[in-house]
Amino acid sequence: GQQVQQSPASLVLQEGENAELQCNFSSTATRLQWFYQRPGGSLVSLLSNPSGTKHTGRLTSTTVTKERRGSLHISSSQITDSGTYLCAMGGTNTGKLTFGDGTVLTVKP
Amino acid sequence: GALVYQYPRRTICKSGTSMRMECQAVGFQATSVAWYRQSPQKTFELIALSTVNSAIKYEQNFTQEKFPISHPNLSFSSMTVLNAYLEDRGLYLCGAYSTSNERLFFGHGTKLSVL
Repeated sequence: GQQVQQSPASLVLQEGENAELQCNFSSTATRLQWFYQRPGGSLVSLLSNPSGTKHTGRLTSTTVTKERRGSLHISSSQITDSGTYLCAMGGTNTGKLTFGDGTVLTVKP
Repeated sequence: GALVYQYPRRTICKSGTSMRMECQAVGFQATSVAWYRQSPQKTFELIALSTVNSAIKYEQNFTQEKFPISHPNLSFSSMTVLNAYLEDRGLYLCGAYSTSNERLFFGHGTKLSVL
């Protein structure tokens, strides 16, 4: 089945630095979605794009489907960005996603 | 905006008893609802995918007899954990899929502890 690997497993930054999170997947999928998991466990949907580049605020998601990889760029990181970022792959029109193990981001003042 | 409410947020049940969790999509129609479990080790497992007007599809290691799901309309779904034991502990997350946004939106999750 589909496997999703994220790197790095953890990342520590100073406030204001940029973060680059990577996601590699084992087979061609049609949808990549990035989530932020709050300390309490709830998942916040950040971006979803099957290919190309998408922006929202300080976040940029880039998916290169042919190369089976995606990335999430966080510019000018803030302390409140700290938490776990999850990459998930799935098909269209379905809630079935395969999650990576996540990247734990810590932003220090 | 699209929101998903899931309740209860936390629950503790005695070993061998059952508990029910509910999921409500607000602001959009959920064409499918996926129930996931995040183990204490943080890995995600898909329990089942429920699409309105289609049979509920359970993943390997999960059965309807153990995790019965109801999905009567495009905004509501519920799942019960029957005869819960220690291995059922974890965070149960309901994800509602929005066709218009092509995204899966999650509720806060239900954290299940078993004594």
